[in-house]
Amino acid sequence: DIQMTQSPSSLSASEGDRVTITCRASQSISTYLSWYQQKPGKPPKLLIYAASSLHTGVPSRFSGQTSGTDFTLTISNLQPEDFATYFCQQTYGDPPYTFGQGTKLEMK
Amino acid sequence: QVQLQESGPGLVKPAETLSLTCTVSGGSVRSGDYDWTWIRQSPGKGLEWIGNIYYSGGTKYNPSLRSRVTISVDTSKNQFSLTLRSVIAADTAVYFCARGVAGLFEALDIWGQGTMVTVSS
Repeated sequence: DIQMTQSPSSLSASEGDRVTITCRASQSISTYLSWYQQKPGKPPKLLIYAASSLHTGVPSRFSGQTSGTDFTLTISNLQPEDFATYFCQQTYGDPPYTFGQGTKLEMK
Repeated sequence: QVQLQESGPGLVKPAETLSLTCTVSGGSVRSGDYDWTWIRQSPGKGLEWIGNIYYSGGTKYNPSLRSRVTISVDTSKNQFSLTLRSVIAADTAVYFCARGVAGLFEALDIWGQGTMVTVSS
C-alpha cells in the first residue's frame, strides 16, 4: 500500500495568516493527489485535485504544489471559515486509495 | 445538483452483515464519467477507502476488506450499495458514499452526509 504521511497533525493560526500542510507519499503517485476540508459532523469537501488544480467554487486563497513525492496545501489569508480538518488522498494505480491522517487547523 | 444520501441500519450485531445503500439524485449512476465509492471514518483509523464501482459493474476493493465486501449498482433505482459481511467492532464507523471523477484524477467531488454504523451486541 502507498502510505501518506501528513504533517503537522495539528496547527494553530490566526485569521489572516498563511499556513502550509504537507503530505508525503511513500512512493511516486504522479499528481494523483487530492486535498479535502472537513468540518465537524460534515463530509469532506474537495478543495484541490491533481495536486494543484482548484476545484470549482473553492476560493483562490487555497493552493496546492508538488515536489516529487511531497505535496503541500497552502492557505493564504486565513478566514474564519477555514478552521477545520484537512486531509490528503492519493488515487494512483491500484487500490487502496489511502488518505493522510489529517491536520486539524485551530484558531490561535 | 447531484446529491448522495446513505441509508441503512445504524446498529449491526457482531458476525452479521452490514448493508448500506446510497441513493443518487439529480444525476445518473449510468454515466461513464464517474465511479461510485464507499469510504468510512472512525476515530481510530481516520478515513479509509473501501471500494468503488463503475456503471459497467466493474469494481475495485481495498485489499484489507476484499474478502468481506461487495459493492453493487442498481441502475433502475439509481442507487449503489455496500455489503460488509462478518462485521466486528472495528467496523464501527461513519460510512460515506461519494462520487469519483475520472477527469479529476479520481478525486471525490460529491459526498453523502454519512451514516453512523455501530457494531455491537
